[in-house]
Amino acid sequence: GNSVTQMEGPVTLSEEAFLTINCTYTATGYPSLFWYVQYPGEGLQLLLKATKADDKGSNKGFEATYRKETTSFHLEKGSVQVSDSAVYFCALLFYNQGGKLIFGQGTELSVKP
Amino acid sequence: GAVVSQHPSRVICKSGTSVKIECRSLDFQATTMFWYRQFPKKSLMLMATSNEGSKATYEQGVEKDKFLINHASLTLSTLTVTSAHPEDSSFYICSARERGYGSEAFFGQGTRLTVV
Repeated sequence: GNSVTQMEGPVTLSEEAFLTINCTYTATGYPSLFWYVQYPGEGLQLLLKATKADDKGSNKGFEATYRKETTSFHLEKGSVQVSDSAVYFCALLFYNQGGKLIFGQGTELSVKP
Repeated sequence: GAVVSQHPSRVICKSGTSVKIECRSLDFQATTMFWYRQFPKKSLMLMATSNEGSKATYEQGVEKDKFLINHASLTLSTLTVTSAHPEDSSFYICSARERGYGSEAFFGQGTRLTVV
């Protein structure tokens, strides 16, 4: 079946450090890939997405590239801020299969001043 | 982006009672809505998918008689937790999408249910 695996958290970084959160997926076919962010006590917000191989999604300094050959969609940011502290979810979706998002387990990021 | 409003944000109820959670799309027509359950430090578990005017499709292992989902209009879906028990305590999140290939899913802010 389709699934998403993320690196275990929590990840603790100092402000301005480089961030990588690994995400790999298993899917039959070529899904669309997403990163969502969840701040404490809130729902999810779309951070970025990529719909086909080699696409790069970017937003607010975060980037992720859809790598078909390694079935990965790693999230990166060059310089994190305290305000980036949140839980990050990688997800996949097949629009022609009901549009259900399948989430990874989430990675908690804590950025210290 | 579009707004999905979920109400209430927090609810405490007594064991054995029923609780209704509402999910509204405020500025678009949500032909499909999804209900998720999130445990502490865990991912989101999809409970069911509902299309406007149709019966909800439940994921394997989710009791449809316990978690009643109604999607009666293009802007409103409700989740009713019937005969709630402490193990039903969780964070419930809804998501809504417009019709159309490639349309984005927007999430409500979630409801923290505590059953005492």
